[in-house]
Amino acid sequence: GESVGLHLPTLSVQEGDNSIINCAYSNSASDYFIWYKQESGKGPQFIIDIRSNMDKRQGQRVTVLLNKTVKHLSLQIAATQPGDSAVYFCAENNAGNMLTFGGGTRLMVKP
Amino acid sequence: ETGVTQTPRHLVMGMTNKKSLKCEQHLGHNAMYWYKQSAKKPLELMFVYSLEERVENNSVPSRFSPECPNSSHLFLHLHTLQPEDSALYLCASSPLTVGQGFATNEKLFFGSGTQLSVL
Repeated sequence: GESVGLHLPTLSVQEGDNSIINCAYSNSASDYFIWYKQESGKGPQFIIDIRSNMDKRQGQRVTVLLNKTVKHLSLQIAATQPGDSAVYFCAENNAGNMLTFGGGTRLMVKP
Repeated sequence: ETGVTQTPRHLVMGMTNKKSLKCEQHLGHNAMYWYKQSAKKPLELMFVYSLEERVENNSVPSRFSPECPNSSHLFLHLHTLQPEDSALYLCASSPLTVGQGFATNEKLFFGSGTQLSVL
């Protein structure tokens, strides 16, 4: 199910290390952001979301950071595991529009 | 299991065939979507239905015809497709907020997709 063929940025990390996946967004009016994970053969799965009135939100082993000044979003995964290997997409939205998805980053976890 | 089920998982069809993709959601959402994910582009929104009415159609060729008979079911009817239409077709659902003259979506729940190959 991943975007095979796209020249996706790839992040390779060692199992147990922390991963940071970055995303730049273009619309300064965007007020809602979301991260998805897509494993091979599956559709995108929701990981975590954040609204623009926050700059950090934590989930289980994941943290999303939002820097509205530079229009930058990041996903941090703690203690990365082989099961975290997937393509990760960020998406942005502002009232009156549909979610706009980025091109994705491929995360590869080395055992 | 996301609560969104798509069938078939894989489909191979010729350019003169007519086929349909099916999507069913068990989440009680009031909006459903078709997305196209190809090898050369990011996720592309094709169609949006809110409360069984189409609210968005992103200039999709007429050889793709959506149908939403109720809030739980969504179809994509395919006819005379081209090889470049080969892609992963994803269905999604979400709560949809409609108000003040606009519709906006947030958290989407995706199915596993139908991998379509057009020969």
